Amino acid sequence: DIVMTQAPLSVSVTPGESASISCRSSKSLLHSNGITYVYWYLQKPGKSPQLLIYRMSNLASGVPDRFSGSGSETDFTLKISRVEAEDVGIYYCGQLLENPWTFGGGTKLELK
Amino acid sequence: EVQLQQSGAELVRPGTSVKLSCKVSGDTITAYYMHFVKQRPGQGLEWIGRIDPEDDSTKYAEKFKNKATLTADTSSNTAYLKLSSLTSEDTATYFCTTVWTNIGTSPYVMDAWGQGASVTVSS
Repeated sequence: DIVMTQAPLSVSVTPGESASISCRSSKSLLHSNGITYVYWYLQKPGKSPQLLIYRMSNLASGVPDRFSGSGSETDFTLKISRVEAEDVGIYYCGQLLENPWTFGGGTKLELK
Repeated sequence: EVQLQQSGAELVRPGTSVKLSCKVSGDTITAYYMHFVKQRPGQGLEWIGRIDPEDDSTKYAEKFKNKATLTADTSSNTAYLKLSSLTSEDTATYFCTTVWTNIGTSPYVMDAWGQGASVTVSS
């Protein structure tokens, strides 16, 4: 199975500042079709995960452009610019390249 | 827009089984692979498996092969997750989810998640 490793475990951010979360996969997530199958989710307290970024760098529908994704074949970054109160929650990276889907352990974002 | 509605919370005895449902609205279930994800209290996301309701083919994560059974009923547009021989390790919230690509001039990916079904295993 592909192992997804996230860092840090938690991040505390002043509203209006930026935050970055890293994710590393144990195997390349670049498919032969040129698509990199890493996804980013935010799970707010008591809610289902919501899709933020798909295929490494594409913003999901309705997600503010303060969120952006980047990376290589195995190393990925989610950046949140101008953090707001509504961004609080746990962020997960996940690989949907192959079954079983696997997810990082999560990064908790809190406000200072 | 596809929406997923899951069945309610369950309190079940150890050693028994439970069957959770996930009803699709907004489209026909046969157009989507239905995935199920486990989340233990305070823990991360763990993929259980998926079913293709078109042909009932399934894939499971290795650790769930003797624990979970996925089925689908196309007449009711519903997918099911049955968990057997329940122990305290099965106490968790279970989500159904699906992801698809909207085909058009500018294709984009969307997903949908159910609200989650809480299962508590306790005597």
